[in-house]
Amino acid sequence: SQQGEEDPQALSIQEGENATMNCSYKTSINNLQWYRQNSGRGLVHLILIRSNEREKHSGRLRVTLDTSKKSSSLLITASRAADTASYFCAEARNNRLAFGKGNQVVVIP
Amino acid sequence: GAVVSQHPSWVICKSGTSVKIECRSLDFQATTMFWYRQFPKQSLMLMATSNEGSKATYEQGVEKDKFLINHASLTLSTLTVTSAHPEDSSFYICSASMDRGVLYEQYFGPGTRLTVT
Repeated sequence: SQQGEEDPQALSIQEGENATMNCSYKTSINNLQWYRQNSGRGLVHLILIRSNEREKHSGRLRVTLDTSKKSSSLLITASRAADTASYFCAEARNNRLAFGKGNQVVVIP
Repeated sequence: GAVVSQHPSWVICKSGTSVKIECRSLDFQATTMFWYRQFPKQSLMLMATSNEGSKATYEQGVEKDKFLINHASLTLSTLTVTSAHPEDSSFYICSASMDRGVLYEQYFGPGTRLTVT
């Protein structure tokens, strides 16, 4: 199945800096979701953006969606050491999620 | 709310044996449960989708006779890895959804680390 692809795959930043990740997808979607995964753990839902939305905020998170380019971005502002994790985008199509490759983010205290 | 548990959290088994992994939605009824597999530093790969009381729908390339899925109730789904081999060693994650039709949110379990020796 087609899956979103994140870019970049690994990101190392200083605490307090912003982190931006991008995700591209290939077909029409109902919505696009971002998840966080701490090492060796399950996934935590961060934010969902519907196909008719362009931007959404949740706390320090900002997600954008460009359906013409079939891409989405996740911005984490004022990063904290606790934000160290892998971040995945997932396309919701046909009642299932197709996950991208993920971004490893390391926030250095 | 919306908590999903998995048991066991990790298991080591010998090659040729079978292993059962349980996935439970603790405080909600799940219309659909999903099973994923994740290799180190890789993404989640959907293995199958199961609805309570019906047969699971397997993704292409997933052997249904090897990965048996039973969705006995609205709060419990099990994945049995039969005749396990070392290449089956992986991180298995389940998730549950209350949605029908369009999928808005899945709630994920903490995962089960399977090691086959």
